[in-house]
Amino acid sequence: EVQLVQSGAEVKKPGESLKISCKGSGYSFTSYWIGWVRQMPGKGLEWMGIIYPGDSDTRYSPSFQGQVTISADKSISTAYLQWSSLKASDTAMYYCVRGDDAFDIWGQGTMVTVSS
Amino acid sequence: AIQLTQSPSSLSASVGDRVTITCRASQGISSALAWYQQKPGKAPKLLIYDASSLESGVPSRFSGSGSGTDFTLTISSLQPEDFATYYCQQFNSYFLTFGGGTKVEIK
Repeated sequence: EVQLVQSGAEVKKPGESLKISCKGSGYSFTSYWIGWVRQMPGKGLEWMGIIYPGDSDTRYSPSFQGQVTISADKSISTAYLQWSSLKASDTAMYYCVRGDDAFDIWGQGTMVTVSS
Repeated sequence: AIQLTQSPSSLSASVGDRVTITCRASQGISSALAWYQQKPGKAPKLLIYDASSLESGVPSRFSGSGSGTDFTLTISSLQPEDFATYYCQQFNSYFLTFGGGTKVEIK
């Protein structure tokens, strides 16, 4: 079965760092782009950026450039989304997705809560 | 970045109704458009890709049409499990974007 499995929910304080993960299985991880999508509470979907695990080519939405870092470790079929200094406004559900066009596979989501 | 405007933002409909949701792009995107369904507490699910191609396993009551700047998602006969929020998404440009969503509620 093709799937993306994300790491569990996180509760952090403002200013802390965080790295969440997304592990692909059931397909050739290095042959498909992996992206990240943010959904703030009660709001719509926002595309953050994508990475091609085969060569680590990365593309960011202008809205998220400089705010997060997307990376991947192809040896363990895992993509990452990380923050160096979280803000309360980073509180959201984060989904990883497969593809650089239509997203046919979605992870289950990782809820990140940032609160003092 | 290309902006996608969905309308309406919400609608109320009854089981068996024909429902149409539109998505307008701020510039031409050919047929590089997808539609997703999201139910509360769940990840979105791909319904339509390339504007009109039905994703495997998606019921045939869902259809998509359009090209250029104007697109439509149609549900031919609304079923109880179709009450959800629907999003369009373009992949024509270097930066991908989503529409604001359309919530389909029970009348």
